Amino acid sequence: NAGVTQTPKFQVLKTGQSMTLQCAQDMNHEYMSWYRQDPGMGLRLIHYSVGAGITDQGEVPNGYNVSRSTTEDFPLRLLSAAPSQTSVYFCASSLNRLSYNEQFFGPGTRLTVL
Amino acid sequence: SQQGEEDPQALSIQEGENATMNCSYKTSINNLQWYRQNSGRGLVHLILIRSNEREKHSGRLRVTLDTSKKSSSLLITASRAADTASYFCATGTQGGSEKLVFGKGMKLTVNP
Repeated sequence: NAGVTQTPKFQVLKTGQSMTLQCAQDMNHEYMSWYRQDPGMGLRLIHYSVGAGITDQGEVPNGYNVSRSTTEDFPLRLLSAAPSQTSVYFCASSLNRLSYNEQFFGPGTRLTVL
Repeated sequence: SQQGEEDPQALSIQEGENATMNCSYKTSINNLQWYRQNSGRGLVHLILIRSNEREKHSGRLRVTLDTSKKSSSLLITASRAADTASYFCATGTQGGSEKLVFGKGMKLTVNP
């Protein structure tokens, strides 16, 4: 099993550009989520999904869209990139929505917005 | 918003020593988890303790939970240079809006 995979690993955008961060898992997990990690801020939840076709907002959803058309994939879209979105983005998955499940993390995407 | 807060924020020890990290949280939880993050990598799950448990062991890891004080500690015994990483506590709540909320993390450096 590959676990949770993310692409790209690094990305540089100009302000106003849009892009999609890809996330896929091969563990048949129901629950998937996106976090951003900033220095001194820890991990903050952007969006999450409890199953295909169901998504919801986390703590910092503004400027991001998600969709979950399949169990495996959970892409994160930046609509119009801003310098404040410079961060490291992590995708994670777990068996289901119950919080006592171990979360499996991808390797991250380091995004810089100029 | 952050629920757990790790203390200290940074710890530097010598190989072979024990490392203790603390996590305090604010609201009721049904479980608390510890994760490790090596530099430039994603987080890796270490151990989970449920709210009705007081202590749990896994290899060189020992975690305790005191729900009356809303705090947990992670002890790494006989530390190794490979334990150098950032450590995060994450608290899980129960109910309709279950989420795992991560603290800001703390940096452990184990010097060879």
